[in-house]
Amino acid sequence: DIQMTQSPSSLSASVGDRVTITCRASQRINTYLNWYQQNPGKAPKLLIHAASSLQSGVPSRFSGSGFGTDFTLTISSLQPEDFATYYCQQSYSTPFTFGPGTKVDIK
Amino acid sequence: QVQLVQSGAGVKKPGASVKVSCKASGYSFTNYGISWVRQAPGQGLEWMGWISPYNGDTNYAQRFQGRVTMTTDTSTNTAYMELRSLRSDDSAVYYCGRDGRRVSIFGVIDSWGQGTLVTVSS
Repeated sequence: DIQMTQSPSSLSASVGDRVTITCRASQRINTYLNWYQQNPGKAPKLLIHAASSLQSGVPSRFSGSGFGTDFTLTISSLQPEDFATYYCQQSYSTPFTFGPGTKVDIK
Repeated sequence: QVQLVQSGAGVKKPGASVKVSCKASGYSFTNYGISWVRQAPGQGLEWMGWISPYNGDTNYAQRFQGRVTMTTDTSTNTAYMELRSLRSDDSAVYYCGRDGRRVSIFGVIDSWGQGTLVTVSS
């Protein structure tokens, strides 16, 4: 199985900050990398697929990049509704595996 | 709009089975696959498998092989996930999600159900 890691595991930030989360795959996955946002007690929400494609309806302050094994999710200007946990997921091969998550909370 | 509505929470004894339903609306049910993902309390997300409502093809994660069965009922646009021989570490919120096209699994879940809490306890 492909192992996914994320860093940091948590971070504290303020509204308006630029935030970057990193995800690494244990083997090359081209751009088969997706990002999800999850608020407490809620289902995950797809933000970005194929490493850099913004899902319909997702604000443009979210962006993704990367190829191969190293990927990043960037929030250009953190908004109050962005305080949540973020998961990366590889869709290169089954079983599709998720990273352990990065919790973004208020500084 | 796309909506996936799951069955309610339940408590099961160790060794029992659970069957979670996921009713889809707002799109053509047979044109998309359904993935199942679970999340243990305070933990991350774990993909369990996928089914095509179009032809019934399935793709299960190896660790659930032999214990999980995913089915669909196209007359009611409902997907089901049955997990057998439950253990305490199967206690989790189980999510269904729309994923892929007809007979193609993408691993990209663009709409999710609200989740179903299954608690396994004696």
